[in-house]
Amino acid sequence: DGGITQSPKYLFRKEGQNVTLSCEQNLNHDAMYWYRQDPGQGLRLIYYSQIVNDFQKGDIAEGYSVSREKKESFPLTVTSAQKNPTAFYLCASSRGSEQYFGPGTRLTVT
Amino acid sequence: AQSVTQPDIHITVSEGASLELRCNYSYGATPYLFWYVQSPGQGLQLLLKYFSGDTLVQGIKGFEAEFKRSQSSFNLRKPSVHWSDAAEYFCAVVLSGGYNKLIFGAGTRLAVHP
Repeated sequence: DGGITQSPKYLFRKEGQNVTLSCEQNLNHDAMYWYRQDPGQGLRLIYYSQIVNDFQKGDIAEGYSVSREKKESFPLTVTSAQKNPTAFYLCASSRGSEQYFGPGTRLTVT
Repeated sequence: AQSVTQPDIHITVSEGASLELRCNYSYGATPYLFWYVQSPGQGLQLLLKYFSGDTLVQGIKGFEAEFKRSQSSFNLRKPSVHWSDAAEYFCAVVLSGGYNKLIFGAGTRLAVHP
């Protein structure tokens, strides 16, 4: 089955540590996205990539970094510079205007 | 600035009752419009979309939405709600400009009473 996988589903880290969230898709989509979801705020775009080896900042990129070395993969690193990293993170991919979402990773930083 | 407004944060309906979730957007041209549903702790699933043409669009799970240009609205409806419809619903628009950036509303949480 084609789809988007995110791992792990739950992630716990201590403050000051960097952490990388995985996102893999086998839909052969060119574009991939990372969103952050907080209660009552909908989804906000962190980074997006339209093609391999290229990515752009979204609305809330500070404290995050990404790479796009393969079409299938778009990992997100939450750095220690991110002031409020605890959130639900969603990855998506698209060909055209319709985006498909992964199941999400809930990150808790204490 | 472009925005999407979902005026209702929480809605509670009885099972079998009809449902309408409101969505308004602020954008100069007609964007592409979407409704997504999210169950707790899960990703988002596309319910339906509007790009052009017939302003009444049908989606999955018995949902439909109507695009009204004059009101800048794209309200989601279902004639008879099932308990399994309890979830959070997001309206989203895609802006033009070189890539498909989705702008989301804050969401409406639907509770269904038996």
